[in-house]
Amino acid sequence: ETGVTQTPRHLVMGMTNKKSLKCEQHLGHNAMYWYKQSAKKPLELMFVYSLEERVENNSVPSRFSPECPNSSHLFLHLHTLQPEDSALYLCASSQNQGVTGELFFGEGSRLTVL
Amino acid sequence: AQSVTQLDSQVPVFEEAPVELRCNYSSSVSVYLFWYVQYPNQGLQLLLKYLSGSTLVESINGFEAEFNKSQTSFHLRKPSVHISDTAEYFCAVSDTGGFKTIFGAGTRLFVKA
Repeated sequence: ETGVTQTPRHLVMGMTNKKSLKCEQHLGHNAMYWYKQSAKKPLELMFVYSLEERVENNSVPSRFSPECPNSSHLFLHLHTLQPEDSALYLCASSQNQGVTGELFFGEGSRLTVL
Repeated sequence: AQSVTQLDSQVPVFEEAPVELRCNYSSSVSVYLFWYVQYPNQGLQLLLKYLSGSTLVESINGFEAEFNKSQTSFHLRKPSVHISDTAEYFCAVSDTGGFKTIFGAGTRLFVKA
């Protein structure tokens, strides 16, 4: 495995379900990110972890709960979501705590909330 | 606060024609500038970046972008596009020390035969 891997690629869930998105990076980076991509809207930065500590939380509803157990793994736990949460969720990583700002993205997890 | 404006949501163009995708940004601090590309059903990939030095930066597949500080622009150009360039292109800005990369809404480039 190389780069940034996200699983599952597709997820359909009801509003009362609990599910998790997983991200794994094989690049030796020390920062990881969750972005939300909705149709016709700019990418929205949700969470940033640097050295496994959360350093950014952009007023994301509490029904989204991130977890970063180590520098290679990042999770997004989902519960009691709303239909407007349907989107592509992108994980990214970077090195040197954003010195150059270059992000490496996974292919995304397409979430549909019924 | 930083912001990025991509002036065109869609750009249709014929194969082998030139193209320019426009990007303007606002920031009160020094920034790094990026163009990312997203092919269907994939994540974003870095196309090119401006960190410092020469204001004209190039990618390996023929795209170039010029940083214009006075006009706060970072437009992306290619003199002759291919069908395979069909994708969504995102302009992004990052401050020079933090974690926050702000993206524009994207421009969908559609290359027609």
